[in-house]
Amino acid sequence: GAGVSQTPSNKVTEKGKYVELRCDPISGHTALYWYRQSLGQGPEFLIYFQGTGAADDSGLPNDRFFAVRPEGSVSTLKIQRTERGDSAVYLCASSLTSGGYNEQFFGPGTRLTVL
Amino acid sequence: AQSVSQHNHHVILSEAASLELGCNYSYGGTVNLFWYVQYPGQHLQLLLKYFSGDPLVKGIKGFEAEFIKSKFSFNLRKPSVQWSDTAEYFCAVNLFQAGTALIFGKGTTLSVSS
Repeated sequence: GAGVSQTPSNKVTEKGKYVELRCDPISGHTALYWYRQSLGQGPEFLIYFQGTGAADDSGLPNDRFFAVRPEGSVSTLKIQRTERGDSAVYLCASSLTSGGYNEQFFGPGTRLTVL
Repeated sequence: AQSVSQHNHHVILSEAASLELGCNYSYGGTVNLFWYVQYPGQHLQLLLKYFSGDPLVKGIKGFEAEFIKSKFSFNLRKPSVQWSDTAEYFCAVNLFQAGTALIFGKGTTLSVSS
């Protein structure tokens, strides 16, 4: 079946602007994760959802970052007042359920560039 | 805080050479361990995982990893690499049962020349 999809694949914006990044998980996967990967680094956890609720948002760097998953499938990561330091690849992953045993399947990522 | 260290930033090998990539984690409790691979132009995919049982686990494409609890290590090995193994390799952990967020190392870039 289809894997995790993310749109857009690339996003260029200006400092101070608002952006939304979308993730469409694998059908039937109840858990959804957002990670951020900066150049030369491994992915860094931001937030994960179990169903519609954010089960752990401890990785969000500050209150400019927010994510929603209103119907328990598609999720949107929202970044307000973007800064140059927000430039990174934003990765989404999904798994059948939450819990450490479940494999996380990653999408191709959205490359965000803040000018 | 928990962390994952990958000792090698960039490894260059010739085809048929043996590979070992180091990974150490810092956490005293029970963890689940993973190796992910990212081939050029592709997304992250799972190479192998360890939850419990036999500490030597085998993954796809001839890769294996050994969990040594006393050393907090989970090194990745392959006896004979191929050009197609050129990729970036990430070690990751999450805490047993509790949190499901993966904690990744910085990654190791493997370049294999034919």
